Amino acid sequence: AQSVTQLDSQVPVFEEAPVELRCNYSSSVSVYLFWYVQYPNQGLQLLLKYLSGSTLVESINGFEAEFNKSQTSFHLRKPSVHISDTAEYFCAVTSTGANNLFFGTGTRLTVIP
Amino acid sequence: KAGVTQTPRYLIKTRGQQVTLSCSPISGHRSVSWYQQTPGQGLQFLFEYFSETQRNKGNFPGRFSGRQFSNSRSEMNVSTLELGDSALYLCASSSAAAMNTEAFFGQGTRLTVV
Repeated sequence: AQSVTQLDSQVPVFEEAPVELRCNYSSSVSVYLFWYVQYPNQGLQLLLKYLSGSTLVESINGFEAEFNKSQTSFHLRKPSVHISDTAEYFCAVTSTGANNLFFGTGTRLTVIP
Repeated sequence: KAGVTQTPRYLIKTRGQQVTLSCSPISGHRSVSWYQQTPGQGLQFLFEYFSETQRNKGNFPGRFSGRQFSNSRSEMNVSTLELGDSALYLCASSSAAAMNTEAFFGQGTRLTVV
């Protein structure tokens, strides 16, 4: 069985400060990991994904996440946040041959001016 | 290329009624998944269709059902609505047979049961 734990339900951070959103997963097989972002009254947008290869993956808007197999983690980081980053962030996991995603409960990031 | 389209965006229904939600995937995508999002339970998987076949189903009662048509469009139906069915229902489409590629989500249908 697969599951995802997002340890922080809410993360307030000042503008231009760094942020880390934590994600731990549980799986007995090889995994694929995703971070999605959801803005109010919107669907989910893919932020970045780890499928294989380099354990450090980056998005076009400055976010990055590192796959750590030994710690079963996939934390999301950004060195300097903007007001526009205020949203809810979901970590998700799936595995080879699977056809659905398992989501964490989400972390609401609030950037304070 | 058009994204995933879900209709309607908002819906208000009365307890006991039934509802049908529609999802048009991205052109060429054959996999469609449905998720229920609520403040208490988060995002929960409902079911997934690929080439008109339901391949996987989440832990939901039989009141929740779905289908996929030959053009990959999908519908989900909820019968005998309960207050707890109030949620944002999200549809996702994918080009691959498995979910190890990007799933594209629609904007969702917000269902309110009164």
